[in-house]
Amino acid sequence: DGGITQSPKYLFRKEGQNVTLSCEQNLNHDAMYWYRQDPGQGLRLIYYSQIVNDFQKGDIAEGYSVSREKKESFPLTVTSAQKNPTAFYLCASSITGTGSYEQYFGPGTRLTVT
Amino acid sequence: KQEVTQIPAALSVPEGENLVLNCSFTDSAIYNLQWFRQDPGKGLTSLLLIQSSQREQTSGRLNASLDKSSGRSTLYIAASQPGDSATYLCAARKSNAGNNRKLIWGLGTSLAVNP
Repeated sequence: DGGITQSPKYLFRKEGQNVTLSCEQNLNHDAMYWYRQDPGQGLRLIYYSQIVNDFQKGDIAEGYSVSREKKESFPLTVTSAQKNPTAFYLCASSITGTGSYEQYFGPGTRLTVT
Repeated sequence: KQEVTQIPAALSVPEGENLVLNCSFTDSAIYNLQWFRQDPGKGLTSLLLIQSSQREQTSGRLNASLDKSSGRSTLYIAASQPGDSATYLCAARKSNAGNNRKLIWGLGTSLAVNP
């Protein structure tokens, strides 16, 4: 089955530790995205990548880092510099070029930092 | 700056009702608009995408319409079922170029369909 996988589903970390969230897709999509979702707020874009070895900051990139070494993978690292890292993190992908850019989402990772 | 609003924030209806969810956007210059469904603690499922040149899209019991001039999109759900209970999100895309490909999100409408 084609789709997007995120692991783990739940992640717990102590304050001050870096943590990496996994996102893998087998849809052959060029573009991948990371969002953060908090209660009472709309989805906020952290980083996006339109092609391998290239990525751009979204609206709330501070305290996060990404890499895009393979088309299928777009891991997100939440660093100790992120002041409020506890949230639900969603990864998405889409086709680029001409077209709709319809985004497809993974199941999400809930990160809790204490 | 594009802003997307969804009203009401929450809706509770009895099973079998036809219902309409509303999505308003402030800038009529959009490329397309996408409707999603999110179940509690889950990721988003894309329901329908309407290009700016289209007036509506249909999938099963769902019909989404787009009126750019009034800055509105509606998601119509026919013969609602308890399994339709979820949060419905709409998101507008300004263009197909560069940073304007980003989606601008509403806060969602939380729907409860009661048996």
